Amino acid sequence: GAVVSQHPSRVICKSGTSVKIECRSLDFQATTMFWYRQFPKQSLMLMATSNEGSKATYEQGVEKDKFLINHASLTLSTLTVTSAHPEDSSFYICSARELKGAGASSYNEQFFGPGTRLTVL
Amino acid sequence: AQSVTQPDIHITVSEGASLELRCNYSYGATPYLFWYVQSPGQGLQLLLKYFSGDTLVQGIKGFEAEFKRSQSSFNLRKPSVHWSDAAEYFCAVGITGTASKLTFGTGTRLQVTL
Repeated sequence: GAVVSQHPSRVICKSGTSVKIECRSLDFQATTMFWYRQFPKQSLMLMATSNEGSKATYEQGVEKDKFLINHASLTLSTLTVTSAHPEDSSFYICSARELKGAGASSYNEQFFGPGTRLTVL
Repeated sequence: AQSVTQPDIHITVSEGASLELRCNYSYGATPYLFWYVQSPGQGLQLLLKYFSGDTLVQGIKGFEAEFKRSQSSFNLRKPSVHWSDAAEYFCAVGITGTASKLTFGTGTRLQVTL
């Protein structure tokens, strides 16, 4: 259980084009999905948090108009990199969690997708 | 705000030797702590987690970690390393509440020599 998939696993695009990355929870309903970015040999940096049916919350320094996030259903979130440039080349990883509890004392585990390697030429 | 420090960027051990990867965290409340492993070009696999209870946590692939509140540490250990353990290891701290955000350390790259 708790499987998260990403599609595509690898994408190469030309500068100026837009790229859409899908993140799906296969066997549970993900009320929240997270999008991370990882540069080579670096850690994961949280880009944004998306809750089903509402606008995403972006971390400081992340351009919301460039990285469009849609969480239209309980099993699918998409990240669209608009007008991609070579500096957007990175490894993008999503995670998903099922809301099982609420309140200050609860913690709901995240399950990670396999990642998407984006290369912008 | 919470933070995680992994002091060792790169560690090399011989196959069969023991391993300890260090992790220190900073968080004002009871932390939820995780160790993940990432092979090149892959996503993250959860090795183990600490939420509460016994401070010595057993994980997959023979890994264990010990939560030491007094030292704000959550070091990962394995008694005998296998060549297939070569990967990047990330320590992370999660915050409570519905946000459940994770903050990752910078990672430790493990190299295993035969």
